[in-house]
Amino acid sequence: GAVVSQHPSWVICKSGTSVKIECRSLDFQATTMFWYRQFPKQSLMLMATSNEGSKATYEQGVEKDKFLINHASLTLSTLTVTSAHPEDSSFYICSARGRSGGGPVLTGELFFGEGSRLTVL
Amino acid sequence: QQPVQSPQAVILREGEDAVINCSSSKALYSVHWYRQKHGEAPVFLMILLKGGEQKGHDKISASFNEKKQQSSLYLTASQLSYSGTYFCGTEGGNGNTPLVFGKGTRLSVIA
Repeated sequence: GAVVSQHPSWVICKSGTSVKIECRSLDFQATTMFWYRQFPKQSLMLMATSNEGSKATYEQGVEKDKFLINHASLTLSTLTVTSAHPEDSSFYICSARGRSGGGPVLTGELFFGEGSRLTVL
Repeated sequence: QQPVQSPQAVILREGEDAVINCSSSKALYSVHWYRQKHGEAPVFLMILLKGGEQKGHDKISASFNEKKQQSSLYLTASQLSYSGTYFCGTEGGNGNTPLVFGKGTRLSVIA
């Protein structure tokens, strides 16, 4: 089945630094990727929708200047947490839907990456 | 809008059955079910696309009542491996939209 790979799986950084998380679709073209954030014992909250070749669509309350999303190719989307602070510590998960067989119809299933646990000291 | 899941948590003994419900205040295009183990990413269980659809795999099945805008996940003869948090994700409109997840149902299966 389709695989989405996320890297790194965990990162610890100092407050004020920036962290980049990569999300790759390994065996399909992901025209749309979604970035979720999950705090402990809570649900997955959608942060933004990343569209290949265009600007990301951010959910209400998510700072686009703080969470930079780039979807430069059909297999890679990146999330950069800029000037990270302890309250940004969370589990960040990307997910993707591809085009089955290269055709126009998106597959229904949402494939998740392994997640990246960010800890900001 | 976030779907509502119930119950919030349930404890089962091995072999017992459970039902997890997911309801939305809006018309749904599809319902997705995922299970998440602690510290791991969610794992896809199944997707229901049509009203009245029922699906199953092994001893886990689900139904989708389109008119009532709700779905139920059925776990029969539960196993220890079923433990985890179950999330329903709903999609409205004509599809091709982000999934909105419920708050989850924490299932604990004990021996």
